[in-house]
Amino acid sequence: DAGVIQSPRHEVTEMGQEVTLRCKPISGHNSLFWYRQTMMRGLELLIYFNNNVPIDDSGMPEDRFSAKMPNASFSTLKIQPSEPRDSAVYFCASSYQGRDTEAFFGQGTRLTVV
Amino acid sequence: GENVEQHPSTLSVQEGDSAVIKCTYSDSASNYFPWYKQELGKRPQLIIDIRSNVGEKKDQRIAVTLNKTAKHFSLHITETQPEDSAVYFCAATDSNYQLIWGAGTKLIIKP
Repeated sequence: DAGVIQSPRHEVTEMGQEVTLRCKPISGHNSLFWYRQTMMRGLELLIYFNNNVPIDDSGMPEDRFSAKMPNASFSTLKIQPSEPRDSAVYFCASSYQGRDTEAFFGQGTRLTVV
Repeated sequence: GENVEQHPSTLSVQEGDSAVIKCTYSDSASNYFPWYKQELGKRPQLIIDIRSNVGEKKDQRIAVTLNKTAKHFSLHITETQPEDSAVYFCAATDSNYQLIWGAGTKLIIKP
């Protein structure tokens, strides 16, 4: 397996624009996590899906952020409209809940909002 | 809910010496405690984990200890090497198997 795949690796956008981050989890994993990492706040869980259903979105900062998982092999994190304070590295991770709970991370998307 | 605290935030040790990073958790039902290493510009990756039915686990120069009574667990790295320089995160699972993360420890290995 190629591991968790995220795209794009880098994104630079202007304030107010819509940004969509994409994630393909490891085949067979039934849990998917979106994290945001910044120097100030560390690693923050934004949202957690289990079997494609959002279980906990309490970490989503505000209504500008939304996440979907239409099927077991794809998820998106959307920011609309984007703001400079959204600049961060966004990681997607997947795991198999209930057995091996190791979380496998993608390489991350470095988002810069100018 | 679960809360994980990690100390210290930065640790500087001489190459060859040992490093110890400590974490405490609040939920006595937590049963899985992984440690992740994140090198600069890279993704976090699991280096060792321990489950609540054991007190210690070793993998070459790395070991993790767990004290369920006190609700704390520690990462021990012996004979530190330059490639050990990274940020280390501890975590604990809550009742939904969701990982709750510590804030991270930046480990600096001085030559």
